[in-house]
Amino acid sequence: AQSVSQHNHHVILSEAASLELGCNYSYGGTVNLFWYVQYPGQHLQLLLKYFSGDPLVKGIKGFEAEFIKSKFSFNLRKPSVQWSDTAEYFCAVNAGSGTYKYIFGTGTRLKVLA
Amino acid sequence: EAGVTQFPSHSVIEKGQTVTLRCDPISGHDNLYWYRRVMGKEIKFLLHFVKESKQDESGMPNNRFLAERTGGTYSTLKVQPAELEDSGVYFCASSHWRDRDYNEQFFGPGTRLTVL
Repeated sequence: AQSVSQHNHHVILSEAASLELGCNYSYGGTVNLFWYVQYPGQHLQLLLKYFSGDPLVKGIKGFEAEFIKSKFSFNLRKPSVQWSDTAEYFCAVNAGSGTYKYIFGTGTRLKVLA
Repeated sequence: EAGVTQFPSHSVIEKGQTVTLRCDPISGHDNLYWYRRVMGKEIKFLLHFVKESKQDESGMPNNRFLAERTGGTYSTLKVQPAELEDSGVYFCASSHWRDRDYNEQFFGPGTRLTVL
């Protein structure tokens, strides 16, 4: 069965620290990849997405992610986090044509200390 | 453009009762999805509508769950009778048919269901 793994369940960083959240998926075919964020009290919002082309994708609020096909990974990065980045982050995979459902990882709760 | 809305935001019911959750997708979005997150676990797919038709209901846990999308607009998800393990946050999402190649979904705020 297809699955998505997010290795870090809770991350605590100080402001200005660099962030990398891991995401690995198990599916050998074409995939669409997403990172969503849920700020406290808000709904899920799309941070960035990858469909094809340049494997390094840039999203909103200074986030970026790199698709490494050989490693089945789509890690999220930000060079310098801010207190306002405190949120829960979800990696999601849509396994290409024929299905529209997302398969989510378990989420990573990020807390940024001011 | 209004986003995906869900009602109610919270619901607390007794085991054995019935609850109906509602989702209004973004206007013009043919695709509507239901997901559920049980506490501490991942967000799991329940089902997918294209207009009023169920395209994929592979994630529906059992026949106590009934989803409808009459007229292809809003959708309801009824749980009858509710069990303790049904507690969680129920998310609705929608997407536009023109985006079918990459399927970016827009999520609502969720309904937090607590079954006592």
